[in-house]
Amino acid sequence: QSALTQPPSASGSPGQSVTIPCTGTRSDVGGYNFVSWYQHHPGKAPKLIIYEVTKRPSGVPDRFSGSKSGNTASLTVSGLQAEDEADYYCSSYADSKWVFGGGTKLTVL
Amino acid sequence: QVQLVESGGGVVQPGKSLRLSCAVSGFTFGSNAMHWVRQAPGRGLEWLAFISYEGSVKYYADSVKGRFAISRDNSRNALYLQINSLRPEDTAVYYCAKDLATHYSCDYWGHGALVTVSS
Repeated sequence: QSALTQPPSASGSPGQSVTIPCTGTRSDVGGYNFVSWYQHHPGKAPKLIIYEVTKRPSGVPDRFSGSKSGNTASLTVSGLQAEDEADYYCSSYADSKWVFGGGTKLTVL
Repeated sequence: QVQLVESGGGVVQPGKSLRLSCAVSGFTFGSNAMHWVRQAPGRGLEWLAFISYEGSVKYYADSVKGRFAISRDNSRNALYLQINSLRPEDTAVYYCAKDLATHYSCDYWGHGALVTVSS
């Protein structure tokens, strides 16, 4: 299975919003509402921030939101804060497998 | 609180085998499916394998099928990943992760175990 496509980098100033797209196919993103997003600070355990396209686990700020249109899912981080600087990965279920995106390094300017 | 701790990593010669372990606590291990995911140096996350809560259902990424084997011992609260015929490209940090039941996501992750394949 091929990796989902994410831009390698994204950036924004504190307080601004940034959207990270994640493009797949009808076999993964487009075929299931099982897209997840993970925040990963290097050297730490990845953290689930969005599941089932739009749902946030308990404790995740509502500044993080997810959406999907066709074969592309998106993560929006609103009101950027310094601690949001991290790597972000999308993932989708795909018929008895899971596939990740290549990751996007979010820089808070 | 939920804890997942990987062990068994290290430097291994190409062609050798290795078994990674993941010790869990803070949740009912025997009621939850589990995953293994890895991250090679400078690369993104790569999903490797899934095992159902009782161990009867196993899924693998095409890239590792036939060479990797996931297993679990619910009596020991332990998850395993057997890696055979190690290759330099298997060099990575290996993470175990708890499945968020019915939601097709991983809600808790360990900090990872580094495996370096080198002669």
